Amino acid sequence: NAGVTQTPKFRILKIGQSMTLQCTQDMNHNYMYWYRQDPGMGLKLIYYSVGAGITDKGEVPNGYNVSRSTTEDFPLRLELAAPSQTSVYFCASSLTTEAFFGQGTRLTVV
Amino acid sequence: ILNVEQSPQSLHVQEGDSTNFTCSFPSSNFYALHWYRWETAKSPEALFVMTLNGDEKKKGRISATLNTKEGYSYLYIKGSQPEDSATYLCAFMRAGNNRKLIWGLGTSLAVNP
Repeated sequence: NAGVTQTPKFRILKIGQSMTLQCTQDMNHNYMYWYRQDPGMGLKLIYYSVGAGITDKGEVPNGYNVSRSTTEDFPLRLELAAPSQTSVYFCASSLTTEAFFGQGTRLTVV
Repeated sequence: ILNVEQSPQSLHVQEGDSTNFTCSFPSSNFYALHWYRWETAKSPEALFVMTLNGDEKKKGRISATLNTKEGYSYLYIKGSQPEDSATYLCAFMRAGNNRKLIWGLGTSLAVNP
């Protein structure tokens, strides 16, 4: 039982490049979330999903896209990376109670 | 706008001291209040999920209380140890909001040996 697996752990992107942050959970959780965490700002919700085929915007969705084709996977796509997207990204999932987090992705856009 | 506020922002205590933090949240449409522990270079881990007014939860030396009518929760650590050093986050879940958590900024605790 791996829990929430997030890849990659670190990535440096050039401005304008695109990439996908992968998130997989093996706990059969319906709810999945993507957060970004910036110094002094706390966790901000980017996108979330209440089940396969359903996604919705969070507080800071601009510049990102998601999909949820299966219960297990919830990838986050950056199409045109910008310096403002330099952050630490966390994927999380939950069933009815606490959220379980992945290990985080530290992304730097230069 | 829903705000979750935590105080203090940071705290330095000596090993053996007992301490407590506060989480304030909206008192309307309450569903759940979560406490998480977040160690540096790791990811947040759940400590407690509290749903009922008057709830008290305990895990070892850490305990929490909940007052949904006035919108606050306290987290207590008895006899702090250096390994308790971490950021403690609370998160509010509103009824009918698709299980979205609204996070406080956390209280950063440093326990000096």
